[in-house]
Amino acid sequence: DTGVSQDPRHKITKRGQNVTFRCDPISEHNRLYWYRQTLGQGPEFLTYFQNEAQLEKSRLLSDRFSAERPKGSFSTLEIQRTEQGDSAMYLCASSGRDRASNEQFFGPGTRLTVL
Amino acid sequence: KQEVTQIPAALSVPEGENLVLNCSFTDSAIYNLQWFRQDPGKGLTSLLLIQSSQREQTSGRLNASLDKSSGRSTLYIAASQPGDSATYLCAVQGNMLTFGGGTRLMVKP
Repeated sequence: DTGVSQDPRHKITKRGQNVTFRCDPISEHNRLYWYRQTLGQGPEFLTYFQNEAQLEKSRLLSDRFSAERPKGSFSTLEIQRTEQGDSAMYLCASSGRDRASNEQFFGPGTRLTVL
Repeated sequence: KQEVTQIPAALSVPEGENLVLNCSFTDSAIYNLQWFRQDPGKGLTSLLLIQSSQREQTSGRLNASLDKSSGRSTLYIAASQPGDSATYLCAVQGNMLTFGGGTRLMVKP
């Protein structure tokens, strides 16, 4: 158990609906990352927070995607007007302050299926 | 743009064999390199992290090496077991992790 939790673990939705995922990082970690993984591929970076500040966003993060980390603790990832191409595993990771020894710990992921 | 490649994409070996998984990356300006294990439908479990100043790390039957100048890392698994069957991912750390496509390992009893 890495200590990173994600909710829900599975989400099935219809195309056009909005969905929101939650990530709770390891409590003392100040960095939080979101990744997306499609079947048979490695995870791809979406966005990254240091405390409550969103410092980097991938071009994969279209304007239908928004992420927040309001108090520098848990984070939410919202997808508006879902499309079938959004079906994937959404992974959250957290890490501590020292980037050089920065080991990222991953949660179990949220599997999204868009019908 | 950093690109990470893992070879082979899939590997099937009999139990007890020693094996090597390969990872290459295009930009040597990395903070560290991490190897992960992923079981089907699950999240990622960190196996080893090698800082950019280090050459190798060991944990039990696993040994990972890093040659930053040539953009290569290897994961050596000694005396493989059926429980080692999983996908192994390498990732290099810049501002975020950039992952390879993974090696799917099957260890047959």
